[in-house]
Amino acid sequence: AQSVTQLGSHVSVSEGALVLLRCNYSSSVPPYLFWYVQYPNQGLQLLLKYTTGATLVKGINGFEAEFKKSETSFHLTKPSAHMSDAAEYFCAVRDSSYKLIFGSGTRLLVRP
Amino acid sequence: GAVVSQHPSRVICKSGTSVKIECRSLDFQATTMFWYRQFPKQSLMLMATSNEGSKATYEQGVEKDKFLINHASLTLSTLTVTSAHPEDSSFYICSARLPDSNQPQHFGDGTRLSIL
Repeated sequence: AQSVTQLGSHVSVSEGALVLLRCNYSSSVPPYLFWYVQYPNQGLQLLLKYTTGATLVKGINGFEAEFKKSETSFHLTKPSAHMSDAAEYFCAVRDSSYKLIFGSGTRLLVRP
Repeated sequence: GAVVSQHPSRVICKSGTSVKIECRSLDFQATTMFWYRQFPKQSLMLMATSNEGSKATYEQGVEKDKFLINHASLTLSTLTVTSAHPEDSSFYICSARLPDSNQPQHFGDGTRLSIL
């Protein structure tokens, strides 16, 4: 069975600083991994996904994530945080029946 | 890109009322849609998988008589919360999957349900 662990329920960074949101997964098959962002009272927006191929995946809004099989990780990064990046971020792994298993989420706070 | 529309965005109603939430895929056909529930400051909990033309598959612990799901067409799935009570108040989100297995789920904007 698949599972996702997001370390840190809250991450606070200064505007312009590096953003690093951690995600570790467990999967018995090659994983399909996703990062979604949720703004208050809204649904989820896809940031990026990893299926196969290149392990460094670039997404929208300057975010990227690297799939590291040896570490079972899929951490999300952005070189320079912007105030508009403040939101809830969810890492997810897809199971064989196309269901998404979500992590508990990480709230990103951006300080001016 | 793939757009999923969810309606209404907010519902406030009295206890005992049944509430219907619609989830539409606007520019693609979705053979499978998913319904999630999200409590404040928590992650999404999958309630059920909705397949066009067949009965929905409910996750363990979700009452299928309480949360009725209908997926009558390739672009529309509905969730009806029957005889809603205050404990049913939550944020409900749907998603739809494109037929291509490599494509991600696309989410609606959610429905905030408040039962008085």
